[in-house]
Amino acid sequence: GNSVTQMEGPVTLSEEAFLTINCTYTATGYPSLFWYVQYPGEGLQLLLKATKADDKGSNKGFEATYRKETTSFHLEKGSVQVSDSAVYFCALRSNFGNEKLTFGTGTRLTIIP
Amino acid sequence: EPEVTQTPSHQVTQMGQEVILRCVPISNHLYFYWYRQILGQKVEFLVSFYNNEISEKSEIFDDQFSVERPDGSNFTLKIRSTKLEDSAMYFCASSDDRVAQETQYFGPGTRLLVL
Repeated sequence: GNSVTQMEGPVTLSEEAFLTINCTYTATGYPSLFWYVQYPGEGLQLLLKATKADDKGSNKGFEATYRKETTSFHLEKGSVQVSDSAVYFCALRSNFGNEKLTFGTGTRLTIIP
Repeated sequence: EPEVTQTPSHQVTQMGQEVILRCVPISNHLYFYWYRQILGQKVEFLVSFYNNEISEKSEIFDDQFSVERPDGSNFTLKIRSTKLEDSAMYFCASSDDRVAQETQYFGPGTRLLVL
């Protein structure tokens, strides 16, 4: 079945540091890939997505590239801010009529001023 | 910007009681979902719903659970005879289409605590 393996947290960085959160997946066919973010006390918000190989999703300075050859969708940001402190979830959705999102375990990110 | 809303934000109930969690999906969306997140664990799919019937459900979604769209706007999750292990954050989501590329938009969640 489908699965998402995500970098274990928590991750603590200083402001303006470079961020990478690793995500790899197992799926049949060509899934769409998503990063969702959960800020403290809030629900899940879509951060970015990519729907085919080599696509790059980007939003709010975050980027992730759909790498079919390595089955990866790593999240990166060049210079993090305190306001980026949140839990980040990698997720996939199969293109075989399977409607559900399959999530990773989430990575808690804390940015220190 | 349209958003998914959920009520209540928090619910405390006694074991064995029934609870109903409510959601108002984005108005022009046709596909609806429930997920849950037990504290410290991953977000898990429960059920998807389209055209007034369940289109997919997980093994978690047993006879204890039911979903309904009682009117044109609300989408509900009923949990009968709640158990301690039902304590979790429950998220409703909706989407415009079921294809893989389509984004599912999530509500803020209902935190359920079963005592």
